Amino acid sequence: DQQVKQNSPSLSVQEGRISILNCDYTNSMFDYFLWYKKYPAEGPTFLISISSIKDKNEDGRFTVFLNKSAKHLSLHIVPSQPGDSAVYFCAARSGAGSYQLTFGKGTKLSVIP
Amino acid sequence: GAGVSQTPSNKVTEKGKYVELRCDPISGHTALYWYRQSLGQGPEFLIYFQGTGAADDSGLPNDRFFAVRPEGSVSTLKIQRTERGDSAVYLCASSSPGGRGYTFGSGTRLTVV
Repeated sequence: DQQVKQNSPSLSVQEGRISILNCDYTNSMFDYFLWYKKYPAEGPTFLISISSIKDKNEDGRFTVFLNKSAKHLSLHIVPSQPGDSAVYFCAARSGAGSYQLTFGKGTKLSVIP
Repeated sequence: GAGVSQTPSNKVTEKGKYVELRCDPISGHTALYWYRQSLGQGPEFLIYFQGTGAADDSGLPNDRFFAVRPEGSVSTLKIQRTERGDSAVYLCASSSPGGRGYTFGSGTRLTVV
């Protein structure tokens, strides 16, 4: 039973356009969400996060939106660059002080020059 | 060190053999985590250390898996009587108290033949 779902295994976007990666979750105890980016043969790298008390968090070209009622979050990358091509993982954590992350299966983003 | 170091980067072993995977966390990070990423999946939690003790080993799949962190720094994940289903990338991560997210190592790709 997947508690964090990334239903799109892959996404292709033209350079300069917006990339939107989606993530759904089922566990209402999750209260902190993270996005990680992973290049081949490297470990996942933390990208951006959002607490459940917020509905938006922005960091440069990256914005994460959270819709608690729909149990849905999305990562927007604007403008997309070829170097953004990677696998993006959505992850969730439950409770303050919790340490265990539950990951989705990932979405492979390809930014076409 | 500057990042989380995992050795070896690749390990091929025969079914039934014993393997040890090493993780050297970021200096000063008290929390250390092991995750396993199978093909096409996101990372799955195995075990969490706070200092020298395993605070949560609920993710270890069975008693063939064991991990130690005797001095609160380097950790070793040990797998006995390896099976082909153990083939995966084993990721180690560390974090400091109040950190936003983990810092992952590049992983050890274990192949059991």
